[in-house]
Amino acid sequence: GDSVTQMEGPVTLSEEAFLTINCTYTATGYPSLFWYVQYPGEGLQLLLKATKADDKGSNKGFEATYRKETTSFHLEKGSVQVSDSAVYFCALRPYNNNDMRFGAGTRLTVKP
Amino acid sequence: KAGVTQTPRYLIKTRGQQVTLSCSPISGHRSVSWYQQTPGQGLQFLFEYFSETQRNKGNFPGRFSGRQFSNSRSEMNVSTLELGDSALYLCASSPVVGAPTGELFFGEGSRLTVL
Repeated sequence: GDSVTQMEGPVTLSEEAFLTINCTYTATGYPSLFWYVQYPGEGLQLLLKATKADDKGSNKGFEATYRKETTSFHLEKGSVQVSDSAVYFCALRPYNNNDMRFGAGTRLTVKP
Repeated sequence: KAGVTQTPRYLIKTRGQQVTLSCSPISGHRSVSWYQQTPGQGLQFLFEYFSETQRNKGNFPGRFSGRQFSNSRSEMNVSTLELGDSALYLCASSPVVGAPTGELFFGEGSRLTVL
């Protein structure tokens, strides 16, 4: 079935470092891809999304490009801040279905 | 616009008891999904309701059940609780099934501890 494989971490970076969190997927059809973020004690917040191949999602300095040829949706940010410390989840939604498939999550800690 | 509201936020139960969790979706959203989040298994899909009908179900035992009301509010019930049911239960809503935008809007969750 459709699934997502995500770099698990944890990842520890210094402030202003470059961030990459890898995410690859397996799917039939044309899924939508998402990155969600979870801060301690909270639910999931949508960070960015892409609904078709070659789409680039971006928000708050984070970017990810939907690459059909490599079945990837890697998350990047050029300069992380302490406030970016959270758990990041890559997710896939099959076409016409709200059964979202999540990766295992990557805990990011940014140190000053 | 109010977000997804889940109640209660925290609860403690003992083995063998049952629990009911409630979710009020964003106004106008008709699809409600439930997920279980644990450190070991991550985020797992429980079920989805749309227009009071269960549309999809994950791989959970029959002790886990849910329903949706005509106002789109949803409840999930877990009977005969086991220690392994301790988890954060997340509810998510979306306007329609398979909408092009596709994102789910999550509540803050109900944290269940089973002793």
